[in-house]
Amino acid sequence: ETGVTQSPTHLIKTRGQQVTLRCSSQSGHNTVSWYQQALGQGPQFIFQYYREEENGRGNFPPRFSGLQFPNYSSELNVNALELDDSALYLCASSLAVRGATDTQYFGPGTRLTVL
Amino acid sequence: AQSVTQLDSHVSVSEGTPVLLRCNYSSSYSPSLFWYVQHPNKGLQLLLKYTSAATLVKGINGFEAEFKKSETSFHLTKPSAHMSDAAEYFCVVREGNAGNMLTFGGGTRLMVKP
Repeated sequence: ETGVTQSPTHLIKTRGQQVTLRCSSQSGHNTVSWYQQALGQGPQFIFQYYREEENGRGNFPPRFSGLQFPNYSSELNVNALELDDSALYLCASSLAVRGATDTQYFGPGTRLTVL
Repeated sequence: AQSVTQLDSHVSVSEGTPVLLRCNYSSSYSPSLFWYVQHPNKGLQLLLKYTSAATLVKGINGFEAEFKKSETSFHLTKPSAHMSDAAEYFCVVREGNAGNMLTFGGGTRLMVKP
């Protein structure tokens, strides 16, 4: 086990709703990254947070947003849910030193289904 | 820009025979390369990583990978497959100046026959 936890494990929402997913980092890590994994595909980078600020973003619209808290835990928020948002959402924590991030360790994921 | 191509979407081997999962990458800068494994309904587990030290990297559970810059490859091997190795494997690249973003390949599903 990596020590990275995510909640909830499963979630069902309807189109247009909003959702918040949560992630607790491994002890000693200061950076959190979020990934979306659609069925049968590799994970895609959404964004990364370092010291409570966004530190890089993938090709996702602004309705995907996040937060990092002083204890380095993080939230992923998705507004105006669409059917294509159905996926496994993975959180990864890592330790960044002088801007360089070490290995990312992944949590078990949250399975989001949008109906 | 960085990218990863996993050459086989499915690989099937018999228990006790060697495993070869192929990966080619594209990167403008000195990359770090990783292999992760994902068992059904589980998160991703790090198998091994290359970060510009030795080109032959040993990982957990008997897996190893060789970084070949001239071929832009980072293939994953194991001498003898176990039933427990059946899973999805992802080759991943991180460019040195890419803001620490990981780029994943499409994955290779390894099946192990008894």
